Amino acid sequence: DSGVTQTPKHLITATGQRVTLRCSPRSGDLSVYWYQQSLDQGLQFLIQYYNGEERAKGNILERFSAQQFPDLHSELNLSSLELGDSALYFCASSPYRGGGAGELFFGEGSRLTVL
Amino acid sequence: GENVEQHPSTLSVQEGDSAVIKCTYSDSASNYFPWYKQELGKGPQLIIDIRSNVGEKKDQRIAVTLNKTAKHFSLHITETQPEDSAVYFCAASMNYGQNFVFGPGTRLSVLP
Repeated sequence: DSGVTQTPKHLITATGQRVTLRCSPRSGDLSVYWYQQSLDQGLQFLIQYYNGEERAKGNILERFSAQQFPDLHSELNLSSLELGDSALYFCASSPYRGGGAGELFFGEGSRLTVL
Repeated sequence: GENVEQHPSTLSVQEGDSAVIKCTYSDSASNYFPWYKQELGKGPQLIIDIRSNVGEKKDQRIAVTLNKTAKHFSLHITETQPEDSAVYFCAASMNYGQNFVFGPGTRLSVLP
């Protein structure tokens, strides 16, 4: 158990809909990362937050947004969903504090299926 | 930006044999290179990492080597066991852990 909790584990929805994925980082970790893993694909970096502030942005679509709340949990919002958004979405946390993050601790992922 | 390539995409070995996975990176500013193992239905988990000031690091049956000049690093697993079967991802980052870029992954199958 990595200590990172993601909900829901599975989600099935229709095209055009909006969903929210939630992540609770490890206790004490200030940094949260979101990754997308499509079928047989690698881990595509979406966005990173540190202590409530956006720190880095990857290939995140404009239809997607995220935030990190004062209690450090994070939410990834996916809107106007398309079939191609079906993927496994991972959240990871690290003790990153502006210097080296070292190890990323991944949750078990939220599997999104768009029909 | 950084680009990480990884080979092979799939690898099958007999139990007890060695397995080697190779990665190359493009940005000479990268200085931290972790390897993650993803088992079926789980999130990736760090198994070993190496910093740019070190050429080799070993942890029991797992070792990682880094060639900064050639910008490539490799994962070596000796005496493979069925529980080593998983997808392995290499990654490169700057500032020892910022802006991780992952390779596409290698699916390792260890045949009994």
